[in-house]
Amino acid sequence: DTGVSQDPRHKITKRGQNVTFRCDPISEHNRLYWYRQTLGQGPEFLTYFQNEAQLEKSRLLSDRFSAERPKGSFSTLEIQRTEQGDSAMYLCASTSVSDTQYFGPGTRLTVL
Amino acid sequence: SQQGEEDPQALSIQEGENATMNCSYKTSINNLQWYRQNSGRGLVHLILIRSNEREKHSGRLRVTLDTSKKSSSLLITASRAADTASYFCATFTGGGNKLTFGTGTQLKVEL
Repeated sequence: DTGVSQDPRHKITKRGQNVTFRCDPISEHNRLYWYRQTLGQGPEFLTYFQNEAQLEKSRLLSDRFSAERPKGSFSTLEIQRTEQGDSAMYLCASTSVSDTQYFGPGTRLTVL
Repeated sequence: SQQGEEDPQALSIQEGENATMNCSYKTSINNLQWYRQNSGRGLVHLILIRSNEREKHSGRLRVTLDTSKKSSSLLITASRAADTASYFCATFTGGGNKLTFGTGTQLKVEL
């Protein structure tokens, strides 16, 4: 399978714990995006990488959120001190020169 | 924040009927894209229409774009049960390099 993959698919955690999600983009894609989607809403942009450089961050990305793409390949999104409001689907997408983004299956986070 | 609204929020039709969804947005765009999302899963790209295009077709899909009204519509002809999903429009403004999604239309196609 050469599509975008995300791990884990589901994560249940207790409030206050840290969680980390991983995204593996399509191999030749240099641009990688993170989005967050809550129930009944469309995805909302969180952050964007071109190669290893993080070029844009949304105001939604509070200080508790950090994203990395150390070698311009896979990316991680970490949420520290999780809150119940962080419960959502976290989606990763990648693209190259096209404006079309290819999405992974998402990681569903539930904070108890 | 969401770029705009989609209308209707939910649509239920019989198999074989056509389904039309509308999307409105707020700012100037480079292109507008439509995505499908099956329940609780990732998004699948359907079609992209550039700001200088007015209509585009792909299989059973027809998309129109009216930049003067900042609106787009997606028509699915001869719908199938497998078309049951949520449909989102998303705008690309270029400068931000990100997609800004609408609120989505939930389509249910019944046998």
